[in-house]
Amino acid sequence: DGGITQSPKYLFRKEGQNVTLSCEQNLNHDAMYWYRQDPGQGLRLIYYSQIVNDFQKGDIAEGYSVSREKKESFPLTVTSAQKNPTAFYLCASSPRGSTNNEQFFGPGTRLTVL
Amino acid sequence: GQQVMQIPQYQHVQEGEDFTTYCNSSTTLSNIQWYKQRPGGHPVFLIQLVKSGEVKKQKRLTFQFGEAKKNSSLHITATQTTDVGTYFCAGPGSNYQLIWGAGTKLIIKP
Repeated sequence: DGGITQSPKYLFRKEGQNVTLSCEQNLNHDAMYWYRQDPGQGLRLIYYSQIVNDFQKGDIAEGYSVSREKKESFPLTVTSAQKNPTAFYLCASSPRGSTNNEQFFGPGTRLTVL
Repeated sequence: GQQVMQIPQYQHVQEGEDFTTYCNSSTTLSNIQWYKQRPGGHPVFLIQLVKSGEVKKQKRLTFQFGEAKKNSSLHITATQTTDVGTYFCAGPGSNYQLIWGAGTKLIIKP
């Protein structure tokens, strides 16, 4: 099956701990994205990557970091510097880094910081 | 900065009634995309509109792109329980980003 996987589905962490969310795709897509969704709100872009070994900050990158060492993988680290990390995190990919392409989403990870 | 406004935030309907959500951009868009997110799920692409004045139909869903390419709407005829979810529009921003509307949540009254 082709698609995007995110793990884990639910994640609980203590305040002050860094946590890394996994995102893997086997669609052979060049572009990958990380979004944050808060209850009742739209999607806000954290980071995106148009190609391996390259990524750019989105609108709310502060307190987050990413890497893109492999085409199929785009992990997101939520650091202790992120003041309000509890949220639903969505990873997406598209064939190219173009806004003419639809984005394919993973099932998401719900992060709760206690 | 560029914004995509979407209204209403919620719409409560009786099953069988129609539903409409509207998107309005502060700038002209080259295209607009629509997605559906079921409760507890992830956004799923529905359609992309590209041409001025374009109208596309998918069964009971009708999508329109305004003549000025700054607004768009999604209309669902005779809603069913399977239509429940949040509908998002998204338009191109700078640097290959999509700018997302806040979404309209379709709620079916019991």
